[in-house]
Amino acid sequence: ETGVTQTPRHLVMGMTNKKSLKCEQHLGHNAMYWYKQSAKKPLELMFVYSLEERVENNSVPSRFSPECPNSSHLFLHLHTLQPEDSALYLCASSQDRGDYNEQFFGPGTRLTVL
Amino acid sequence: GDSVTQMEGPVTLSEEAFLTINCTYTATGYPSLFWYVQYPGEGLQLLLKATKADDKGSNKGFEATYRKETTSFHLEKGSVQVSDSAVYFCALGSKFTLTFGKGTMLLVSP
Repeated sequence: ETGVTQTPRHLVMGMTNKKSLKCEQHLGHNAMYWYKQSAKKPLELMFVYSLEERVENNSVPSRFSPECPNSSHLFLHLHTLQPEDSALYLCASSQDRGDYNEQFFGPGTRLTVL
Repeated sequence: GDSVTQMEGPVTLSEEAFLTINCTYTATGYPSLFWYVQYPGEGLQLLLKATKADDKGSNKGFEATYRKETTSFHLEKGSVQVSDSAVYFCALGSKFTLTFGKGTMLLVSP
């Protein structure tokens, strides 16, 4: 039990659909992250929010749109995805300590784009 | 830029065997080092960490020592169990960035 929950756990969508992934952390942290985990590739950091402001965006296509309405919630809005976007999307949170952040991960959303 | 290199898997062991999973890194500055574990169908869980040179992280019988001179953070366990079967990720971190290795799958048979 990591204190980070993600919904839905599984999602199948067509390329023309619009959907959203939700992440909630119950740890009182002030930073949240989206990662993409594809087979045979290292985890890719997509977005970082600290104190509800985006601090990092690693060249992610605009069909992925993050939203952080408060320090406990993080969304990833999806539209017109491609089949290669099928992956496990992981959310994480941490408490910004200045030097390093120990990140706590949710269970992930398994996304399949048809 | 920063990078992490892990040994290729899968690593296949019998129960009670000794485990070593090698991890080396390239980084500027003085990052913290982590081992995460991912069980099937789950997210990543922090297994252990070390924040400065010569620190030893340990948890659930696993150990790793932050070796600055060899830029390594090898994971070891003296006696593995079937329940240790999972994918293990070495990572280095600074501020908001965690740089992960590709992961090493461990399979332990009875």
